[in-house]
Amino acid sequence: DSGVTQTPKHLITATGQRVTLRCSPRSGDLSVYWYQQSLDQGLQFLIQYYNGEERAKGNILERFSAQQFPDLHSELNLSSLELGDSALYFCASSAIQLNYGYTFGSGTRLTVV
Amino acid sequence: GESVGLHLPTLSVQEGDNSIINCAYSNSASDYFIWYKQESGKGPQFIIDIRSNMDKRQGQRVTVLLNKTVKHLSLQIAATQPGDSAVYFCAESTSGRDMRFGAGTRLTVKP
Repeated sequence: DSGVTQTPKHLITATGQRVTLRCSPRSGDLSVYWYQQSLDQGLQFLIQYYNGEERAKGNILERFSAQQFPDLHSELNLSSLELGDSALYFCASSAIQLNYGYTFGSGTRLTVV
Repeated sequence: GESVGLHLPTLSVQEGDNSIINCAYSNSASDYFIWYKQESGKGPQFIIDIRSNMDKRQGQRVTVLLNKTVKHLSLQIAATQPGDSAVYFCAESTSGRDMRFGAGTRLTVKP
């Protein structure tokens, strides 16, 4: 157990729908990062939050949004889902806002049908 | 744009042999590098890191080598075991910003 908790582990939904993925960082970590990993692809950075504020944005679609709450958990919202959104979504956390390595959760596997 | 990449997408080795996984990076300003291991169905797991002021760092059965001249990073695994079978990613950042991951190399260990 890495200490980073992601729920749900698996999610199957239809095209056009909206889903919310949840991440609880390791105790004491202030930064949360979201990554997308498509089949046999590398990790694509989506967005970073630090202590409730957006810090960096990667290749995140306009249909996707995220937020970090006062208790530091984060949610990634995916809307108007398309088949191509099927992927593993990972959350990672670190104690600081700089990218000096972080701890990943076990991911949410999203399947859009 | 600048990116991190890998020379070999797949690597198959015999159990007990040493493994070498390579990674090329193009951002000469990168100053921090990490190797992650990802087993099937799991999230990436930190293996070892190295800063740009070093050219070698050793862990338990793993060694990371950094050649800044040719912008090349490698991960050496000694006495490879079946449990080492996984996808290995290199990642790099610059001054703590923009952690970028390579595409990954799949290591298969044959018994």
